[in-house]
Formats: sequence, structure tokens, C-alpha cells
Amino acid sequence: AQKVTQAQTEISVVEKEDVTLDCVYETRDTTYYLFWYKQPPSGELVFLIRRNSFDEQNEISGRYSWNFQKSTSSFNFTITASQVVDSAVYFCALSEDQAGTALIFGKGTTLSVSS
Amino acid sequence: AAGVIQSPRHLIKEKRETATLKCYPIPRHDTVYWYQQGPGQDPQFLISFYEKMQSDKGSIPDRFSAQQFSDYHSELNMSSLELGDSALYFCASSPRLAGEADNEQFFGPGTRLTVL
Repeated sequence: AQKVTQAQTEISVVEKEDVTLDCVYETRDTTYYLFWYKQPPSGELVFLIRRNSFDEQNEISGRYSWNFQKSTSSFNFTITASQVVDSAVYFCALSEDQAGTALIFGKGTTLSVSS
Repeated sequence: AAGVIQSPRHLIKEKRETATLKCYPIPRHDTVYWYQQGPGQDPQFLISFYEKMQSDKGSIPDRFSAQQFSDYHSELNMSSLELGDSALYFCASSPRLAGEADNEQFFGPGTRLTVL
């Protein structure tokens, strides 16, 4: 069975601090996809990144970076120099390599950035 | 760029009433997914459709039904509403065409259903 664990329920930081959100997944599939979504207080789900299981390259997009390690089944997300606008719930998700199948979400991490 | 459209955005119903939520996928997206997100919870997959056929099924109650129409829009029908059905309902769409992103699901803004 597939499972995503986000052990950090809530994280509070002060602006300009770096913060890492952890994501550990379980799957028996050899090919799968991992995602991160941001859900601000307004409620919409904002897509941040998709990574397939064959691509272990780390990725950087502005202040965001992702570290994918198959050896530890982890897909961690780091925000550098956090800002108040980063305050949101962040979800890590997993899906099989087949269109039409469900995204399995973790419980989410609530990030609060104070000024 | 066009996004997934959901209507209505907000809906208030009484217990035991019925509700219909609509989803219009991104043009050329032929796969539609429904998710339910209770307060403080993660989104839970309900059901998905490809080419008007059910593709995958999750924890959708028997009181709920869904379908996808020939124009690819989808409707989620909910009957005998219960207080516990109060949630944010997301629709997502994805393409299933060669060369397109595999299973990249684009989410709509959600319908917030409140059952009183």
C-alpha cells in the first residue's frame, strides 16, 4: 500500500529563516511520482513540483528547493529566507505511474512565518 | 491559461438534502478526479473518470455518485447529506495523451459545502 508521512504537523519560523519540510513515502511500485502542493488560507491547492522516481536530481526554483533520496524514501522541501507569504499548509503526495489514479496525500505541515 | 472550473464555489444545504457539484476540466484534459477535504484534513480521493468511464475509485460513500459527460465535464451528486459531508470538494483534471505530463493533476479552486 502507498503511504505518505509528514511527521511535522506544525512549524513556526521567523522571516528570513530557512525551513525544511520533511516527507517520507512508502510504495511497492518501481515507477511513481511525488508532488508538493501548497494550500494557503484561501484554500486552493497550488502545485509546486512533480518528480518521477527515476529522476533523483535535486531541484531549485527561486527560494524553493527539493531533495529527493530514493535510498531513504524521502522527498524533502526547503524554503530559503522564508517570507510571511509562505505561511500555508504544505502537502506532499504520491501517485502510481498511471494516469487516472489517485494522489495519496500526507497529513500536511502547517508553516507559520512571522515577521 | 485556462484552469479547472468548479461550480458552485460555495453551497449550503440542510441535512438529508441533495447537492450536485460540477467540474469543467482544462481543455483537452480527458481525465477528471474528485477529492474531499474535511476541516484540518488532507484531501481524500473519491473517484476518477477517463473518457466517461470510471478509472479509479477511492473512499466515496454509496450516497455519492459521479459521472463524466461527453464534453468531459463531470458532476458529483450527493444525496442524503450528513453533517460530516461538510468539506471542501476539489476537482482535478489531467491529460492522458502521448507526450503530455503523466498524471499531473491540475486542481480547481474547490467547492465549499456546508451541511447544516
